[in-house]
Amino acid sequence: EVQLVESGGGLVKPGGSLRLSCAGSGFSFSSSGINWVRQAPGKGLEWVSSISSRSTYVDYAESVRGRFTISRDDAKNSVYLQMNSLRADDTALYYCARNSHHATMEFWGQGTLVTVSS
Amino acid sequence: DIKMTQSPSSLSASVGDRVSITCRASQSISSYLNWYQQKPGKAPKLLIYAASSLESGVPSRFSGSESGTEFTLTISGLQPEDFATYYCQQSYSTLWTFGQGTKVEIK
Repeated sequence: EVQLVESGGGLVKPGGSLRLSCAGSGFSFSSSGINWVRQAPGKGLEWVSSISSRSTYVDYAESVRGRFTISRDDAKNSVYLQMNSLRADDTALYYCARNSHHATMEFWGQGTLVTVSS
Repeated sequence: DIKMTQSPSSLSASVGDRVSITCRASQSISSYLNWYQQKPGKAPKLLIYAASSLESGVPSRFSGSESGTEFTLTISGLQPEDFATYYCQQSYSTLWTFGQGTKVEIK
């Protein structure tokens, strides 16, 4: 069974940092691209970042570029999102999702909540 | 970035109704358009990919179509479990973007 489990969320002050983790199982993790998608409370979905297999390609939404860094450790079947210079508008539930056929996100985790507040 | 504009933002419908949701791209995205369903407290679920292909396991009452930069999700015969929020998402550019969502509520 394909599983994605996010962790690392929590309460952080504006300007602070947090590192999210996404652990995958039940599929060939090293050959899979992974995305981070976030959802602010009561709002819609926002794609945040993606990393391809072998870290060949990474990209970021304009809203987080320069502040967030995505990386992966295939030995640990994990993808990370290092979030620096956090702002109140980064408050959201952060999901990781696996790239699947036809550039879709077929499998999603249940999310980890990040709250940026003083 | 490619902007995706969904309409309406919400709608009320009854069980058995035919419902259509539209998503317009700010530029050509070929057929790189996916539809997701999200229920409260749950992760999104892929329904339609490549504009009109039904994801495995998704009921056939869901269908997708395209006309230029306008894409439509249709639910033919709304069921109680279909009341949810629906999002379109383009994967044409390397910077993926979602529509703002359409909430389908019970009339």
